[in-house]
Amino acid sequence: EVQLVESGGVIVHPGGSLRLSCAASGFTFDDYAMHWVRQPPGKGLEWVSLISWDGGTTYYSDSVRGRFTVSRDNSKNSLFLQMNSLRAEDTALYYCARDPLRGTGSWTGYFDPWGQGTLVTVSS
Amino acid sequence: DIVMTQSPDSLAVSLGERATINCKSSQSVLYSSNNKNYLAWYQQKPGQPPKLLISWASTRESGVPARFSGSGSGTDFTLTISSLQAEDVAVYSCQQYYTTPYTFGQGTKLEIK
Repeated sequence: EVQLVESGGVIVHPGGSLRLSCAASGFTFDDYAMHWVRQPPGKGLEWVSLISWDGGTTYYSDSVRGRFTVSRDNSKNSLFLQMNSLRAEDTALYYCARDPLRGTGSWTGYFDPWGQGTLVTVSS
Repeated sequence: DIVMTQSPDSLAVSLGERATINCKSSQSVLYSSNNKNYLAWYQQKPGQPPKLLISWASTRESGVPARFSGSGSGTDFTLTISSLQAEDVAVYSCQQYYTTPYTFGQGTKLEIK
């Protein structure tokens, strides 16, 4: 069974830093690009970042570029999101999600499946 | 950025009736080289992560009931539930993956009338 389990979400002060993790299992992790998507409480979904299968290509939304860094460790089947200079508007449930395209070195840009999410709260 | 706009924001439909949700993109998400629409639909039930229902505007994912269908091309898309079941109560969101940043509609909350 494919599983994605996020962790690392906590309450953090504005300006602080946090590292989220996503542990993958049930599939060949390095066959797939991966994404982070977030959802503020009671609001809609916002794509945050994409990383290619080997970590060689990354993309970010404008709202996080320069503050967040996505990375992966294929030897540990893990995805990470380093979040710096956090703002109140970064408060959200952060999901990791797999890109469905397998083994081509590319990606489609939609998301399947998703983890359960980890909650990041930025508040003083 | 491509802006995705859904209508309506909320919808109440009787059990067994048809539910229709619309999604409009601010620019075409049809890629001319392969004639594919880069549009997905998700279902999100309370307390759960989104679940992919439809990709490429009209391709139903494995295990998704046949009452769910997607249609449209270019900038205008529709998700239809042909006969609403109680378990379909959820928020439905469209998403374009034509280009980064990938963007979602604001979501449509579907309830039972």
